[in-house]
Amino acid sequence: QSVLTQPPSVSAAPGQKVTISCSGSRSNIGNNYVSWYQQLPGTAPKLLIYENNKRPSGIPDRFSGSKSGTSATLGITGLQTGDEADYYCGSWDSSLSAYVFGAGTKVAVL
Amino acid sequence: QVQLQESGPGLVKASQTLSLTCSVSGGSISSGGYYWSWIRQHPGEGLEWIGYIYYSGSTYYNPSLKSRVTLSVDTSRNQFSLKLNSVTAADTAVYYCARDEGAGGYYLHWGQGALVTVSS
Repeated sequence: QSVLTQPPSVSAAPGQKVTISCSGSRSNIGNNYVSWYQQLPGTAPKLLIYENNKRPSGIPDRFSGSKSGTSATLGITGLQTGDEADYYCGSWDSSLSAYVFGAGTKVAVL
Repeated sequence: QVQLQESGPGLVKASQTLSLTCSVSGGSISSGGYYWSWIRQHPGEGLEWIGYIYYSGSTYYNPSLKSRVTLSVDTSRNQFSLKLNSVTAADTAVYYCARDEGAGGYYLHWGQGALVTVSS
C-alpha cells in the first residue's frame, strides 16, 4: 500500500486532456514538494515536474503540475500516443523519513 | 550532461549480499550539492526509495531497509555503491541509481537500471 494514492489508470482520446491525482498527508505532500515522473515501458523514469509545478528544460508545457493542501495533480494536454506510459508522483515524507512514491497511474490514449 | 550507469551481478543467491555500483560521468560527486540515491522497482510494480549518500559519506536510508542496506561513495573513482545483505526473492527488482537534486527533492538524472534476480 503506497503512502501516496494515485488512480490505477486514466484514458482519453488523442488531443484531449487528462489529469492524474496524487493524494497524501501533511507529512508528505502537505509540507514538502511534489515531483512527477513518466516511465515508458522498459526505461528509467523521467522527471516531468519538480517542486510542485516546475518543468525541467526540454519538458513541453503540455505537462503541468499543481498542489493544494495534501493533494497534487499532474495535467497532460494535447494527449499524444507517445504519452502512453506510467506516471508516478513522489514526495519526501517527514514522518517516515523516507522519499515516497505513488503506486503509479497508467495513461492510455484511446 | 550528467550520466549514471549501474553495474554489478545480475544474479544473486538467496541469503547473500547484493552489490551494485553506480558510475557517474559528466559531473563530479565531490562537487557537493547533490545526494546520490538508489531506487528500486519490483517487476510490474512501483518505485521504492532505498536511500541516498552525500559526497562526504553521510547517509540516509529507508527505515524499511535500513537494517540490511549500506551505501558507500568513492570520490576518487566518481562512483557510489549499494550493498543489500541477506537478500530474498522479494529483493528481485530493477535497481536504479539517481541523483537527488536536494536531499529528498527530486530526481533529474537516472541510470538505465540494473535487473537483479535473487535465486534460491
